[in-house]
Amino acid sequence: NAGVTQTPKFRILKIGQSMTLQCAQDMNHNYMYWYRQDPGMGLKLIYYSVGAGITDKGEVPNGYNVSRSTTEDFPLRLELAAPSQTSVYFCASSLQRGGGETQYFGPGTRLLVL
Amino acid sequence: QKEVEQDPGPLSVPEGAIVSLNCTYSNSAFQYFMWYRQYSRKGPELLMYTYSSGNKEDGRFTAQVDKSSKYISLFIRDSQPSDSATYLCAMTGNTGKLIFGQGTTLQVKP
Repeated sequence: NAGVTQTPKFRILKIGQSMTLQCAQDMNHNYMYWYRQDPGMGLKLIYYSVGAGITDKGEVPNGYNVSRSTTEDFPLRLELAAPSQTSVYFCASSLQRGGGETQYFGPGTRLLVL
Repeated sequence: QKEVEQDPGPLSVPEGAIVSLNCTYSNSAFQYFMWYRQYSRKGPELLMYTYSSGNKEDGRFTAQVDKSSKYISLFIRDSQPSDSATYLCAMTGNTGKLIFGQGTTLQVKP
C-alpha cells in the first residue's frame, strides 16, 4: 500500500494564479481531510469528506474548494492564490471519524505564493 | 484563548534523557487524546492514543491524561537522536474533529 500520496511536493504560485493539489489514498478509507500547517500554528482543517460526493467545511475554508468524485481521490483547488495561502498542505484519511480513529497523513505539499 | 495550548520549544536534551512534553486544553468535551510525531518535511504519524484519563505505555513512550486538570503529557525514556522531531498533541470529542496543538520541536543530541 502506498497509503496517502500527494502531488506536487512543492510549488511556487504568483498572486492570482490557480492550482489543484492532488491527494489519493489506497486504503479504501471513507473519510478524507485537508489541513494546512503554518509555522508555530499546528494544523488547521480546511475541508473534509465523508465519502464520494459529500464534502464539508472545516475551520479555514475560505479561498479553497474541494470535490470528491471517487473514494480514492480528494483534490484541493486554490482559486486566485494569495500570499496568506503560503503554507504546507497535508491530506489525511481515516476509515471512520470517531474519536479513536487514526488519521493517516500524506507527505505534504509546500506552497509558496509570491 | 486557544482550545489546545502547547509550548513550541525548541527543546534540546542529551541522548538518554527523559523528555516530558505537555499540552493543556480548555474544552471539557474532549475524550480522545493523541500524540503525533512529525519528522522534518514529513507528514504527522500517530504515536500514541489514549481514551479519557489515565496512563498508556508503549515501549519508551508513556502518555498521561489528567482530565480534571485538562492536562496531557508524553514522556520519552532513554531518548535517542532518532526521536528528534516535532510532537503534536491532538484531541477530540465525539465529533471526531481533531484539534491540534502547535507542536513542540525536540532535538536529542548524541
